Amino acid sequence: GAVVSQHPSWVICKSGTSVKIECRSLDFQATTMFWYRQFPKQSLMLMATSNEGSKATYEQGVEKDKFLINHASLTLSTLTVTSAHPEDSSFYICSARQGLAASYEQYFGPGTRLTVT
Amino acid sequence: AQSVTQLDSQVPVFEEAPVELRCNYSSSVSVYLFWYVQYPNQGLQLLLKYLSGSTLVESINGFEAEFNKSQTSFHLRKPSVHISDTAEYFCAIRGGSQGNLIFGKGTKLSVKP
Repeated sequence: GAVVSQHPSWVICKSGTSVKIECRSLDFQATTMFWYRQFPKQSLMLMATSNEGSKATYEQGVEKDKFLINHASLTLSTLTVTSAHPEDSSFYICSARQGLAASYEQYFGPGTRLTVT
Repeated sequence: AQSVTQLDSQVPVFEEAPVELRCNYSSSVSVYLFWYVQYPNQGLQLLLKYLSGSTLVESINGFEAEFNKSQTSFHLRKPSVHISDTAEYFCAIRGGSQGNLIFGKGTKLSVKP
């Protein structure tokens, strides 16, 4: 089956620093990747959608200058949390889809837990 | 706009008892519905999905869900649960401008011996 990996699985950083999270599709080419954020005991909230080679589309309320998304290849998307603050601490999950059409299935990565101290 | 409502945030049951996790949706277009399972500190795994055809869909580990258009529901059931079924379960609908998934708030299933 399709496998999506995330790296790192957890990270602790100091307030004010930047953190990069990688999302890779291991055995398929991901035309579209999604980034979600999950707060404790809450559901997944979509942050942004990125299509390979294009700028990411951010959901309302998500700061694009703070959460930088790059989808430079068909197997890799990165989320960089810039100038991180404690309120950015969360569980970040990516998912990948093989095609642009909504009929393609999404495959989820295992998530990255970010703690900002 | 599309939305998903999971009515129960927590469902405690004893091992080998039946369970139903409720999910209702709102959509003005054709629906594609999903159930995902999340184990602690892990990502989401697809449990089952309804895209079209038979309204009753099954997973390989004994779960089933029935799409009910008149009641706008997609409840998840299992006739006999195991300790290993303890996890959080998310109902989702495919929607949005890019076909992304819209999730309910999740139901935490706790199976006790």
